Amino acid sequence: KNQVEQSPQSLIILEGKNCTLQCNYTVSPFSNLRWYKQDTGRGPVSLTIMTFSENTKSNGRYTATLDADTKQSSLHITASQLSDSASYICVVSADPGGYQKVTFGTGTKLQVIP
Amino acid sequence: SAVISQKPSRDICQRGTSLTIQCQVDSQVTMMFWYRQQPGQSLTLIATANQGSEATYESGFVIDKFPISRPNLTFSTLTVSNMSPEDSSIYLCSVEKRIHNEQFFGPGTRLTVL
Repeated sequence: KNQVEQSPQSLIILEGKNCTLQCNYTVSPFSNLRWYKQDTGRGPVSLTIMTFSENTKSNGRYTATLDADTKQSSLHITASQLSDSASYICVVSADPGGYQKVTFGTGTKLQVIP
Repeated sequence: SAVISQKPSRDICQRGTSLTIQCQVDSQVTMMFWYRQQPGQSLTLIATANQGSEATYESGFVIDKFPISRPNLTFSTLTVSNMSPEDSSIYLCSVEKRIHNEQFFGPGTRLTVL
């Protein structure tokens, strides 16, 4: 069964600090992995997307890594800001042929405090 | 990218009534998806809506409860029928752009059923 697990479930950090969110998956055959940011009451917005051959990808202060061998990904946030407070969702796509099957993680709720 | 709008953005409805949610995309897309996100949980796929054919429903979701229309390549509606408080949720429309390997989400419709 395809699964995506994220940790921690929630996290509180001080403004300006760095943090790392984790995503472990058992999705096959792997197609791509995406990190989304979801503000409260809004739809998810894509931060990064990585395919099998990519190890790291950055988007401003967000850097995602992917280890396809261990089936792990991380999202590192540098110099956090209050606006980073949101849920971060790891989404893994499988491509069993002709279409993509998407599995969502349950998300990490991040709160950045002054 | 894709810009997606949803109407209404939120609604409060009485038990037993129905609500139709509209989703408009700024470009033509083959596949549109409807998701539900219950409080504190991640996204659950309700159905995939392809233009010109019946929607494909995921396990646990049925057409009588969630009828979907897809009259053209930029528009879809989801109806939540005979609502109960358990249907209180955020409903999100999504599209996939395979050329970019990307999935985009609308802002969501926050539904509260009394």
